[in-house]
Parts: sequence; structure tokens; C-alpha cells
Amino acid sequence: GAGVSQSPSNKVTEKGKDVELRCDPISGHTALYWYRQRLGQGLEFLIYFQGNSAPDKSGLPSDRFSAERTGESVSTLTIQRTQQEDSAVYLCASSQGVHSDTQYFGPGTRLTVL
Amino acid sequence: GENVEQHPSTLSVQEGDSAVIKCTYSDSASNYFPWYKQELGKRPQLIIDIRSNVGEKKDQRIAVTLNKTAKHFSLHITETQPEDSAVYFCALTGGSYIPTFGRGTSLIVHP
Repeated sequence: GAGVSQSPSNKVTEKGKDVELRCDPISGHTALYWYRQRLGQGLEFLIYFQGNSAPDKSGLPSDRFSAERTGESVSTLTIQRTQQEDSAVYLCASSQGVHSDTQYFGPGTRLTVL
Repeated sequence: GENVEQHPSTLSVQEGDSAVIKCTYSDSASNYFPWYKQELGKRPQLIIDIRSNVGEKKDQRIAVTLNKTAKHFSLHITETQPEDSAVYFCALTGGSYIPTFGRGTSLIVHP
């Protein structure tokens, strides 16, 4: 079946602009995660959605970052007033719901802030 | 949150040799330990996982061992091949539903 998809695959923007990244999880997966991966680094947790519960936003690095999810479907990650240090690959992952379930990752969005 | 240390950061081996990557953690409530492989420019993909009620799991050339008492788990790759070259990440969940990832190990297999 279809895996996790993300769009766009690449995004180049100017400092100060807002960007919106999209994630389509695997159908039926109630849990959705956003991560940031800087070049040559590990995965940095950003935000977690589980069903209709309030999201865990504890990993968001600043108030310029926000994310939404409609039910158990698409999620969008928004970065306002982008800075050069926001340049990274943003990965989305989904799982069936229990925290110890396998996470399936999307291909990521490579964000470059000039 | 949970802390996990992954070593080594880079590992260079000759084709056919074995490779071992180790992760240590501190939260005894951790109960799920997956390993991901990330090839250059690609997404992380699960290659093997283990749960806390098991001490070892094997899948062909890949195995994972878990020592809950010492709080460490390791990835073992035997008969390495050039296509095994990638970055490998350990992860864990349990005490918190937020997965914690290691910093990654860059494995290079020389033909």
C-alpha cells in the first residue's frame, strides 16, 4: 500500500518568509510525528499527534513553529519568519498508534533558507 | 526526556567483516528498541527491532541483543557488504511515548 508521503520534496525560501510543509500518513495510522534532521545529525523530535488528543508540542524549538492535523489524516508543519538555522530535512513518520509500534517515515522535505 | 548514547559515530570495516553498534540508555521503563538504516539522501527505514521481554532477535545477517540489566542494546551485522554502508540509528520508547534516537553511526564497508 501507499507509504507516508511528504510535499514538497525540496523548498528554497528567503529568510523571513513563512513555509508550510505537508505530510500524508499511512491510512489508518493514528500517530504522527514530525522530526527535524540537520545535515549529518540525528533526528530531533518536534511534535506528536495521537488521534484526537491534544498534540505534544514539547519539541518545537520556538513559537515560530506550529503544526496541525485534521483528525487522523494530513498534517501541516508551518514555520513562520524562517531563519537560516531552520535549514534542515523535515521528516514525518506515522505509526498505528501504540507508542511502541514501528514508525514509517516519509521521504522528507529539504528546506533551505537563504 | 530519555537519553540514549550511540557508539561509535563512525565505523569502517572490510567487506565480509562483522560490525557492531551499541546504544546505552538510562530509563528502565524503556520497552521498545528499534534500529533504523538511513542511506544517503533517503528516509530512515526500520531494519530490526526488539521488545523488552526478549534478549536477542535475529534476521538473516542482522541481529539485535538487549541487556536490560546493563541498559544497553546492540546491532550486529555479519558478513558485511558494500550495500550495508549507511547511517544506522538506534531508538527507544517506553518511559515516554516520544521516541528518542541516538546520534547515528556512519558505517562504511570497503569492498
